[in-house]
Amino acid sequence: QVLLQESGPGLVKPSETLSLTCNVSGGFISGSYLTWIRQSPGKGLEWIGYIFYSGGANYNPSLQSRVTISFDRSSHQVSLRMTSVTAADTAVYFCGRGGAAPPDTWGQGTLVTVSS
Amino acid sequence: DIQMTQSPSTLSASVGDRVTITCRASQAITNWLAWYQQKPGKAPKLLIYKASTLQGGVPSRFSGSGSGTEFTLTISGLQPEDSATYYCQQYSGYWTFGQGTKVEIK
Repeated sequence: QVLLQESGPGLVKPSETLSLTCNVSGGFISGSYLTWIRQSPGKGLEWIGYIFYSGGANYNPSLQSRVTISFDRSSHQVSLRMTSVTAADTAVYFCGRGGAAPPDTWGQGTLVTVSS
Repeated sequence: DIQMTQSPSTLSASVGDRVTITCRASQAITNWLAWYQQKPGKAPKLLIYKASTLQGGVPSRFSGSGSGTEFTLTISGLQPEDSATYYCQQYSGYWTFGQGTKVEIK
């Protein structure tokens, strides 16, 4: 069974870097990928990017210049790094795992507020 | 970017009703479309992928159809636990989501 757990600081100052991790237990194997999406308060869903188990990544073009997703096999953690954050980056961030189909397993989400 | 437009934005229906939600893509996406259900404070739940394939464990009252640019999600026999917001998502190119349809029970 795959379990995902997001973690990271709940408050980030404007212009600083947001760093989140997704702890993956079980199921992140060859052929699968880990994705990050976010949801601003009261709004819809926005895809941030995904990383394959092999290490290749793909990003939302609107965020690509500020986002890096990486995978540490030794710790079974997938990381999201977003630079130069503004209030518009305030959202609940979810990590999800997919394979042949879109993500069918998700973490519970973590709220990040950008404020001074 | 491929834009996804859902309609309606909200709908109110009675238990047992048949409910249909439409999703239109700004360009053809073959059948690379998924539907999710999201309840407040929860992660989205995958219902359907490849436009019409039911995810394991999802009740058979949910069904999806369509290809190209027009897709539908149908709930046949609405249940109280179906009260939620539903999103379509295309994964033909860079992923994009529809704006959501909130389903309320009368």
